Amino acid sequence: GQNIDQPTEMTATEGAIVQINCTYQTSGFNGLFWYQQHAGEAPTFLSYNVLDGLEEKGRFSSFLSRSKGYSYLLLKELQMKDSASYLCAVLDSNYQLIWGAGTKLIIKP
Amino acid sequence: EAEVAQSPRYKITEKSQAVAFWCDPISGHATLYWYRQILGQGPELLVQFQDESVVDDSQLPKDRFSAERLKGVDSTLKIQPAELGDSAMYLCASSLEAGDINIQYFGAGTRLSVL
Repeated sequence: GQNIDQPTEMTATEGAIVQINCTYQTSGFNGLFWYQQHAGEAPTFLSYNVLDGLEEKGRFSSFLSRSKGYSYLLLKELQMKDSASYLCAVLDSNYQLIWGAGTKLIIKP
Repeated sequence: EAEVAQSPRYKITEKSQAVAFWCDPISGHATLYWYRQILGQGPELLVQFQDESVVDDSQLPKDRFSAERLKGVDSTLKIQPAELGDSAMYLCASSLEAGDINIQYFGAGTRLSVL
């Protein structure tokens, strides 16, 4: 079966750095996406990785290791507005997106 | 900025009633997806369209759910009859094409409560 694992919930402090991990076991791999979803709202695209390594985009960075089936999303200089759920999704061999359950990130002042 | 439009935002209905949701994808996006998302879980694909054709509806409960995209633009998802377990957020997304690295863009969703 196909499986994506993320921590259910994480807590961090405003101004700090947090790393949200994602491990996956899928039928093939054609890329990994990170989405942000505020409570009651739609997911919004954050990043895409298909090759190993780090992709940086402002305060957010995403890392991929295909050999380990592992990715992380790194958020720097945390702001209160970063409180949201972060969803990891993998594009499998059929180009279908397999979604994780999401990690709820709570930012405390 | 182009957006995926969905309506209604909220829907409350009684079980056994019929409900319908509407989605208008970003202009030019050939691929349209309907997802169901239960609180605390990731989105679950219900149906995927490429233009007006269904590409994948393997997870759509066809005894009560139906979806159409007659002219290959906007789409309607219907539930008849609604059951208590259908309470969830229904998300519509669109992308330029299916597959590859085409990013899916989501609408604001319809939150359905079945009483």
